[in-house]
Amino acid sequence: KAGVTQTPRYLIKTRGQQVTLSCSPISGHRSVSWYQQTPGQGLQFLFEYFSETQRNKGNFPGRFSGRQFSNSRSEMNVSTLELGDSALYLCASSLGVAGSTDTQYFGPGTRLTVL
Amino acid sequence: AQSVSQHNHHVILSEAASLELGCNYSYGGTVNLFWYVQYPGQHLQLLLKYFSGDPLVKGIKGFEAEFIKSKFSFNLRKPSVQWSDTAEYFCAVNARYNNDMRFGAGTRLTVKP
Repeated sequence: KAGVTQTPRYLIKTRGQQVTLSCSPISGHRSVSWYQQTPGQGLQFLFEYFSETQRNKGNFPGRFSGRQFSNSRSEMNVSTLELGDSALYLCASSLGVAGSTDTQYFGPGTRLTVL
Repeated sequence: AQSVSQHNHHVILSEAASLELGCNYSYGGTVNLFWYVQYPGQHLQLLLKYFSGDPLVKGIKGFEAEFIKSKFSFNLRKPSVQWSDTAEYFCAVNARYNNDMRFGAGTRLTVKP
């Protein structure tokens, strides 16, 4: 079974631009969660989608948004990029809703650099 | 909201030494507990998880963790580490049926051959 895939793997943007990251979950998984990983803040939860609905959102500004499609693929968008948005963005999928007993499987991440 | 603290930022051991990484969380309700590992250049992988039942959980690659409810702890152990265990280890917790997964800051383990 293919794992969680994320595209692109690396991205360089400049301040003020916007960016869209994509995540394809493991086949059959309906929950997709997004995390931001930085050396200073560690791993922080962004949001979770299940069956195209956002179930939960972390403490991030409104510039961070996401959506999920009917095939469970998810996109994350960051508008008006700031230098502090430079991070590794991780996507994780699980069969059922996150917080159930289902394991989350992580993708390799998208490395975003904001110049 | 729950929070997670990992006591050690960087641990250096020689091969065959025993390992114990501390993890404490703060949350009053029922939680799911996890240990993830991130090997150099690889993505996060689940080592083990605890939802209920026997508080001593066995995971992959000889790792185990013990949930002590009274201490809000979920420490990771391995009796004899190998060079290939060099990685970053993350403890994580989420409240049952609510995904707001909180990760600890991570512990970097270096195993000297």
